[in-house]
Amino acid sequence: DQQVKQNSPSLSVQEGRISILNCDYTNSMFDYFLWYKKYPAEGPTFLISISSIKDKNEDGRFTVFLNKSAKHLSLHIVPSQPGDSAVYFCAATPQTGANNLFFGTGTRLTVIP
Amino acid sequence: GAGVSQSPRYKVAKRGQDVALRCDPISGHVSLFWYQQALGQGPEFLTYFQNEAQLDKSGLPSDRFFAERPEGSVSTLKIQRTQQEDSAVYLCASYGPVAVEKETQYFGPGTRLLVL
Repeated sequence: DQQVKQNSPSLSVQEGRISILNCDYTNSMFDYFLWYKKYPAEGPTFLISISSIKDKNEDGRFTVFLNKSAKHLSLHIVPSQPGDSAVYFCAATPQTGANNLFFGTGTRLTVIP
Repeated sequence: GAGVSQSPRYKVAKRGQDVALRCDPISGHVSLFWYQQALGQGPEFLTYFQNEAQLDKSGLPSDRFFAERPEGSVSTLKIQRTQQEDSAVYLCASYGPVAVEKETQYFGPGTRLLVL
């Protein structure tokens, strides 16, 4: 049973525009959420995270929004750049610390120059 | 080292063969995770070590899968009598004392296993 879902397998965006990647989860015990970026033949690299006590976290061009009541989070990238083209994974865990992560299936973002 | 390293990067095995996959975590990281990523899927948890102790192996899909970390640093994931459904990328991640680090696991590049 997939506890973290990314329903859009792919997304194409023009350079300079906003990219919005979505993620839904089912487990109400999840308390900490992360976005990872993955290039081919590399491992996932951490991008940004958010705790359930917040509804927004911003880091440069990247902002993550959390709607706990809807069990939904989204990653906004603005402005999008060609180097942002990668697969983005949403992940969740019951708490911070050394806990295993539950991943979505990923969204492949293509930023068109 | 600077990051998590894994070897081999690619492994082709014949069905029934045993394989061993190695992970070198970031120096000083006490926590180590193994994940399995099937084609088109996200990584799925296999097992977790804190130092040399295997605290959670609930994600191992069968008793053909075995992991160890005898000295609390390097870890090996062993798969016995490989089957075609074992074909996947096996990712290792480490997590350590985080006074200045972000709350995240650091992933290696993975070992891509193909069982023929």
